[in-house]
Amino acid sequence: GDSVTQMEGPVTLSEEAFLTINCTYTATGYPSLFWYVQYPGEGLQLLLKATKADDKGSNKGIEATYRKETTSFHLEKGSVQVSDSAVYFCALFEAGNNRKLIWGLGTSLAVNP
Amino acid sequence: KAGVTQTPRYLIKTRGQQVTLSCSPISGHRSVSWYQQTPGQGLQFLFEYFSETQRNKGNFPGRFSGRQFSNSRSEMNVSTLELGDSALYLCASSLLGARGRDTQYFGPGTRLTVL
Repeated sequence: GDSVTQMEGPVTLSEEAFLTINCTYTATGYPSLFWYVQYPGEGLQLLLKATKADDKGSNKGIEATYRKETTSFHLEKGSVQVSDSAVYFCALFEAGNNRKLIWGLGTSLAVNP
Repeated sequence: KAGVTQTPRYLIKTRGQQVTLSCSPISGHRSVSWYQQTPGQGLQFLFEYFSETQRNKGNFPGRFSGRQFSNSRSEMNVSTLELGDSALYLCASSLLGARGRDTQYFGPGTRLTVL
């Protein structure tokens, strides 16, 4: 079945460092891809999405490009802040009769001042 | 527009009891999905409701059930609670509810602790 693999954390960075969180997927069809973020004690917030190959999702300085040839959707941010400390989840959406989000295990990010 | 709301935010129950969690979707959204989040298993899909009908179900035992009302509000019920049911239960709503691509928006979750 479809699956999502994320790089393991935790990831620890200093403020203003460059962030990359790798995400690859396996899917039989053409899923939509998402990044969600979860801050401590809270639910999931949608960061960005992409619905087809070569789409670039972006939000608040965070970007990810849907790469069908490498089945990847890596998250990037040019300069992290302490407030970016959270857990980041990559997910794909299976459409059709079995519609649901399939999740990676999450990558914990800690940003030090 | 108000987001997805879930009540209660925290629950403590003992083994063998049952519990009901509530979710109110974003206004106009007709699809509600439920997910369980645990440290060991991560995020797992429970079920989806659309127009008061369960349209899809994950791989959970029959102790987990749900329903949706005509105003799209949804409840999920867990009977005969087990220690392993301790988790964050997340509700998500989406607009289209069709069998195509859709974006799910999440509530803050209900933290269930089973003692």
